[in-house]
Amino acid sequence: QKEVEQDPGPLSVPEGAIVSLNCTYSNSAFQYFMWYRQYSRKGPELLMYTYSSGNKEDGRFTAQVDKSSKYISLFIRDSQPSDSATYLCAMIAPSNTGKLIFGQGTTLQVKP
Amino acid sequence: NAGVMQNPRHLVRRRGQEARLRCSPMKGHSHVYWYRQLPEEGLKFMVYLQKENIIDESGMPKERFSAEFPKEGPSILRIQQVVRGDSAAYFCASSPSGGPTYEQYFGPGTRLTVT
Repeated sequence: QKEVEQDPGPLSVPEGAIVSLNCTYSNSAFQYFMWYRQYSRKGPELLMYTYSSGNKEDGRFTAQVDKSSKYISLFIRDSQPSDSATYLCAMIAPSNTGKLIFGQGTTLQVKP
Repeated sequence: NAGVMQNPRHLVRRRGQEARLRCSPMKGHSHVYWYRQLPEEGLKFMVYLQKENIIDESGMPKERFSAEFPKEGPSILRIQQVVRGDSAAYFCASSPSGGPTYEQYFGPGTRLTVT
């Protein structure tokens, strides 16, 4: 079993839709949760990070963490074609040595 | 403020040759991380370095791979005697000096092709 599971998609939505991206994990010691966006043939771009359980909002993006269910989500409101990319969740290893554990990534396409 | 810089962006090597990948962290960052992304797979941690120190190399293959981050100059990921299975995108990330190591900023990557 992988430490972090993420449905690779692809996920296709019309412009303006609300997008929900999710990851599950198995290690209850994870404390920090990150979302990265990666455009084709580019490096990952840090979108948001959250600590422990709860919500965090930044513009059209909302990150949620439910530690009791070992489940994290990223919501994108009013999705735009420019949001089309691969979204990667990542979590910090318990030893906190900086070793991020990534999900496989979900490919999102927002159609005009 | 320049981001993380990596060079070369594309590298082609024949089997058995050596590959050297370079990474310059963001200004003010002294933590460097290397990750590998194989086709259709997520990013896999390889190594975490600070200046002149390897902090965590638990993701590095035991043979042929090495990494350094000297006092002066960029961090180098070195792959000796490359094989076709080494073909991948290699990403470097950096995080702020004295700051949280979960806040990592990635470079554009080096795409290594082994022929």
